[in-house]
Amino acid sequence: DTGVSQDPRHKITKRGQNVTFRCDPISEHNRLYWYRQTLGQGPEFLTYFQNEAQLEKSRLLSDRFSAERPKGSFSTLEIQRTEQGDSAMYLCASSPRAGGETQYFGPGTRLLVL
Amino acid sequence: AQSVTQPDIHITVSEGASLELRCNYSYGATPYLFWYVQSPGQGLQLLLKYFSGDTLVQGIKGFEAEFKRSQSSFNLRKPSVHWSDAAEYFCAVYGSSNTGKLIFGQGTTLQVKP
Repeated sequence: DTGVSQDPRHKITKRGQNVTFRCDPISEHNRLYWYRQTLGQGPEFLTYFQNEAQLEKSRLLSDRFSAERPKGSFSTLEIQRTEQGDSAMYLCASSPRAGGETQYFGPGTRLLVL
Repeated sequence: AQSVTQPDIHITVSEGASLELRCNYSYGATPYLFWYVQSPGQGLQLLLKYFSGDTLVQGIKGFEAEFKRSQSSFNLRKPSVHWSDAAEYFCAVYGSSNTGKLIFGQGTTLQVKP
């Protein structure tokens, strides 16, 4: 069990550019979550997948944000036309089919928009 | 609405002293409660969780937490703090199986004095 992995760990981009983050969940975990964490705050829920189906999206997820999990394994989170306010840590978590309430987090991707 | 409050933003304790971090939740039904720890620049590690049963739950690294329904609290304790416990601690409640999301408190930063 290698844990949840995220790539890249750090990303610096200029305002207006598009960025994409990848998350690989723990193998056989069918649920996958994305959260955003700004400095000094707790993580805030963005979206939730069960297998390849995106079942829940937060209002925080503006139309510039899109997430996919095409084969029910890894997931990508894309931010288009980045803004300085998008600077944050983006956390991915996964949970198993049984006991799905317990979420296991990856190391996060820290995004800085200049 | 579901919410989690961590009243103490920052706590400093001496190494070897006892620790209690406070967490209050607002949730209509029986809550599923969690404590996570986050070291600087890292993801979240699960310390312990409460779903039902014994209201005193044991976790990793010598931590324990007590669920008190009458006080809507789930405080985290450790009898003797080590310098390596310095980190940020988050309390969370599980929203529902429909949304899949965890709702986090703002976090408490623990500083350990030698």
